[in-house]
Amino acid sequence: EAGVTQFPSHSVIEKGQTVTLRCDPISGHDNLYWYRRVMGKEIKFLLHFVKESKQDESGMPNNRFLAERTGGTYSTLKVQPAELEDSGVYFCASSHFGQGKYFGPGTRLTVT
Amino acid sequence: AQKVTQAQTEISVVEKEDVTLDCVYETRDTTYYLFWYKQPPSGELVFLIRRNSFDEQNEISGRYSWNFQKSTSSFNFTITASQVVDSAVYFCALPAPGAQKLVFGQGTRLTINP
Repeated sequence: EAGVTQFPSHSVIEKGQTVTLRCDPISGHDNLYWYRRVMGKEIKFLLHFVKESKQDESGMPNNRFLAERTGGTYSTLKVQPAELEDSGVYFCASSHFGQGKYFGPGTRLTVT
Repeated sequence: AQKVTQAQTEISVVEKEDVTLDCVYETRDTTYYLFWYKQPPSGELVFLIRRNSFDEQNEISGRYSWNFQKSTSSFNFTITASQVVDSAVYFCALPAPGAQKLVFGQGTRLTINP
């Protein structure tokens, strides 16, 4: 069974540009989460999808971040326009209800 | 609110030494889960263990062991006879109350030197 995959693995963009991160969860997992780790700090929750619905988006930092999960399969996280403080590693995770979360390899975003 | 503290930012030991990573947490929940994850240099987060607060028995898995002390709100992780491949950042985490999201500690960067 394939694990959670994320694309790209690394993205370098200039301040003001737009970047879209993609996450493909494990097949059949209804729960999908986005987390990020900024500047070597703790990993922080961004949002949680159940199928295509946003269950909890309390961790989204501001309206420059837009997450979607059309059809309840893969998810995208768009940052527009990107700022320097958005640099970090963005993790995606998926799970079945009541079971552990499986994390993807992360996307390292560098905003210059 | 949930809080996880990993006071050790970085630890460096020589191969074959034992090493303990500390995790102290705060929660108002009476029952909860605790997690440890490993982030090797390749970047992904690897699940290591999930412990239910009902179960205070120590858990051992090969060279890894976990000491859960509810009285001191600690969930420490020990690697016995460390190996270079154990070098990674280790995160302790627990779920936010009534939510699916995890609250992570800041992580401990462990370096095992040959």
